[in-house]
Amino acid sequence: EVQLVESGGGLVKPGGSLRLSCAASGFTFSSYSMNWVRQAPGKGLEWVSSISSSSSYIYYADSVKGRFTISRDNAKNSLYLQMNSLRAEDTAVYYCASSTGTSEIGDWGQGTLVTVSS
Amino acid sequence: SYVLTQPPSVSVAPGQTARITCGGNNIGSKSVHWYQQKPGQAPVLVVYDDSDRPSGIPERFSGSNSGNTATLTISRVEAGDEADYYCQVWDSSSDHYVFGTGTKVTVL
Repeated sequence: EVQLVESGGGLVKPGGSLRLSCAASGFTFSSYSMNWVRQAPGKGLEWVSSISSSSSYIYYADSVKGRFTISRDNAKNSLYLQMNSLRAEDTAVYYCASSTGTSEIGDWGQGTLVTVSS
Repeated sequence: SYVLTQPPSVSVAPGQTARITCGGNNIGSKSVHWYQQKPGQAPVLVVYDDSDRPSGIPERFSGSNSGNTATLTISRVEAGDEADYYCQVWDSSSDHYVFGTGTKVTVL
C-alpha cells in the first residue's frame, strides 16, 4: 500500500522559515516524480513544486519561486520542501503527491498545515 | 499563464447525471486529469488522460476532452459523490501543473 506521510507543518511568523518532509513507502520512490500541492483554507488546489525522479528537473509555481526549494533523498525515500520568507498567503495545507513524470498525480498524502501569522 | 475554468457548483438529483466542465484554451490538445475531494480529505484521482479510470473508480465516472472544453460525467449519481471536483493539466509552455477552479457537486 502506498503511503505518503507529511510532517513539519506548524505556526510560523511572517518572514520565517519552515521545512516540510514527506516519508514515502509502499512503492519504488526513486522511480517517481514528486510534487507539493497546497490548499489555502476554503480555497482550491494550487500546485507548488515538482521534482523528477533523479532530481534532474525541478519546477516551481511563480508564487513561490525564489522562496521555496524542493529536494529529495531517494536513499531515504523522502521528499522535502524548504520554505523561506514565508507570507500570510502561504498559509495552507501542504500535500505531498507522486506522479509519473508530468502526468496525473496518482497518490496523495493527508497533508500538513502551515500557518503563517504574527 | 494557462487558466482552467470550472463552474463553481453543480446540483443533481440522485440517480441522475452530473456533468462538470473544464474550459481552457485548446485544452483538447492536452491530457486532462480529474480529482475528487471530500471535506477534510486529500484529493483522489478519478479520471486520468481525459477518459481513463484508475483501478477502484466506478464506471459511473467518465471523461471526455475536445476543443476548448473537457468534461467529467458522473452517471447514476449517489449521495457519496457529493464533493469538490478539480480538473488538471500539465502546461508544457510554462512547465507548470495547472488546476481548475473547482466545482462543488451537491446531491439534492
